[in-house]
Amino acid sequence: DGGITQSPKYLFRKEGQNVTLSCEQNLNHDAMYWYRQDPGQGLRLIYYSQIVNDFQKGDIAEGYSVSREKKESFPLTVTSAQKNPTAFYLCASIDSGQGASDQPQHFGDGTRLSIL
Amino acid sequence: AQSVTQPDIHITVSEGASLELRCNYSYGATPYLFWYVQSPGQGLQLLLKYFSGDTLVQGIKGFEAEFKRSQSSFNLRKPSVHWSDAAEYFCAVGGYSSASKIIFGSGTRLSIRP
Repeated sequence: DGGITQSPKYLFRKEGQNVTLSCEQNLNHDAMYWYRQDPGQGLRLIYYSQIVNDFQKGDIAEGYSVSREKKESFPLTVTSAQKNPTAFYLCASIDSGQGASDQPQHFGDGTRLSIL
Repeated sequence: AQSVTQPDIHITVSEGASLELRCNYSYGATPYLFWYVQSPGQGLQLLLKYFSGDTLVQGIKGFEAEFKRSQSSFNLRKPSVHWSDAAEYFCAVGGYSSASKIIFGSGTRLSIRP
């Protein structure tokens, strides 16, 4: 079955450490997204990518970085500059074609990041 | 500015009772509207979507939603809830001109009373 795989499910970060969250999709979708979810705040967009080798900042990109070297992969790095990284991180994708946002997003099962 | 408001943070209903979750949006063009459901520790699953046409849309798991342009609302309803419906529900809005960005509401947590 096609879908989005996020790994690991749980991740712990030490002070000053960078960590990378994996997101892989086998849906052949063009666009991919990273969201951060905090209790009572819904989903906030970190970064998104509409095509390979291109990505844009979302609403809360500071302290995060991404790459899109392959269509199926969109890893997120939480850098040491992100001072409050504890959250639930969700990856999503859309078969966006020309970039229309009328398609629903497909979500992975998330990664929960905590500070040690 | 584009925004989505879900005014109810937490709702508790009895099993078998009807349910309505509220969603109001602010959007400059014709919106595309979605409802998603999230179980604890999981990703989001699409319940239903509205793009155009009939303003009453049917979704999975017995849910429906009605688009009311005059009220800028897209409320989610279910005639009889089941204990398995306990989850968090998110309303979202997008549009063709928004560069593939979708805006999510802050969510409504639904609890079911036995």
